[in-house]
Amino acid sequence: GENVGLHLPTLSVQEGDNSIINCAYSNSASDYFIWYKQESGKGPQFIIDIRSNMDKRQGQRVTVLLNKTVKHLSLQIAATQPGDSAVYFCAENSRAAGNKLTFGGGTRVLVKP
Amino acid sequence: DTAVSQTPKYLVTQMGNDKSIKCEQNLGHDTMYWYKQDSKKFLKIMFSYNNKELIINETVPNRFSPKSPDKAHLNLHINSLELGDSAVYFCASSQDFGGVQFFGPGTRLTVL
Repeated sequence: GENVGLHLPTLSVQEGDNSIINCAYSNSASDYFIWYKQESGKGPQFIIDIRSNMDKRQGQRVTVLLNKTVKHLSLQIAATQPGDSAVYFCAENSRAAGNKLTFGGGTRVLVKP
Repeated sequence: DTAVSQTPKYLVTQMGNDKSIKCEQNLGHDTMYWYKQDSKKFLKIMFSYNNKELIINETVPNRFSPKSPDKAHLNLHINSLELGDSAVYFCASSQDFGGVQFFGPGTRLTVL
């Protein structure tokens, strides 16, 4: 079946720099996307979401970009801090597919001091 | 106060045993979920309940049986545990089906 494609690579970032985490999805019917952050030993934590009728959404230090043409989602973290070190997951939801949230494989972000 | 709580946090048991994991949410949500996260961090949904009714049942062995006594609780019972059941199990809840999900802290199950 179709799923969100994101293997578990590692992104090393210098503290204070911006981070960009990418996610490719294959289900063109997906209409809702969520980014989660999972710190070591904890459950995934909601960061930001975006619906398919938008291409950009901003939160506090985070921005999500959605490019439906190429089925690509990204999470930008401004001024990365040590507390941003975690595994980040994108997830997609499709009403047509029964509203089941499908997670990608995650990206590990390591912030270097 | 913890929004979604799970007990126990760690569970170590022998193959063939039966065990249960409990989950409670105090968010007033209608929908609850169980996920399995493997050693490579891949998250896979197992079950979803909406207003105590089962709405998602992925291809999970029938040794796994969820039980929802009320909207705030979704427990997971596992019979005849196998080595491959070792994983971290997460409970989650959402206001309604398809909405943002809030996760519990996870239960690390180790089957020896």
